[in-house]
Amino acid sequence: EAGVAQSPRYKIIEKRQSVAFWCNPISGHATLYWYQQILGQGPKLLIQFQNNGVVDDSQLPKDRFSAERLKGVDSTLKIQPAKLEDSAVYLCASSSLAFGHYEQYFGPGTRLTVT
Amino acid sequence: SQQGEEDPQALSIQEGENATMNCSYKTSINNLQWYRQNSGRGLVHLILIRSNEREKHSGRLRVTLDTSKKSSSLLITASRAADTASYFCATSRTYKYIFGTGTRLKVLA
Repeated sequence: EAGVAQSPRYKIIEKRQSVAFWCNPISGHATLYWYQQILGQGPKLLIQFQNNGVVDDSQLPKDRFSAERLKGVDSTLKIQPAKLEDSAVYLCASSSLAFGHYEQYFGPGTRLTVT
Repeated sequence: SQQGEEDPQALSIQEGENATMNCSYKTSINNLQWYRQNSGRGLVHLILIRSNEREKHSGRLRVTLDTSKKSSSLLITASRAADTASYFCATSRTYKYIFGTGTRLKVLA
């Protein structure tokens, strides 16, 4: 089966610019996650979708980050405006069920550098 | 906030040796998972252990869970150079995962 797809793989922008990341989960997976992973740290959950509804976005900086999952499939994560501290790898993952009982499948990530 | 903390932060061993890394967490959980991350394959799920289980095996991997001490250990036996990676524990109490800080394992050929 095809894995989780993400694009772009790399992005370099200047601070105060905007950027968007795209994720296509594994077919049939109802749950989609966006994580931020800063160099040397573990992934931090930003937002979790169940189909096209938000389950958790408690750690999403809502003044600058937004995410949507239209039709319960693909998802986009946007940052506007970007700050230097947003430099990180943004990982998308999907799983077949929510509630933490099943493994997550991760995409390759998008490495964002904000200068 | 990160719930799990892996120990040690870094580990270097010779090929063929066993590697043990530990994860401690703060609150009660439903299950705990271990993931591996390397530059070639990204973040990959290794094994899941539920809160009512004490030990699980998968190939060369052995995971233990001690809920009374809020800790888990991952043992990799007969390590290979390909095991060089960062290893993360991820805990779940309700519906979301919280990842630890990771152990960087280097296996020397």
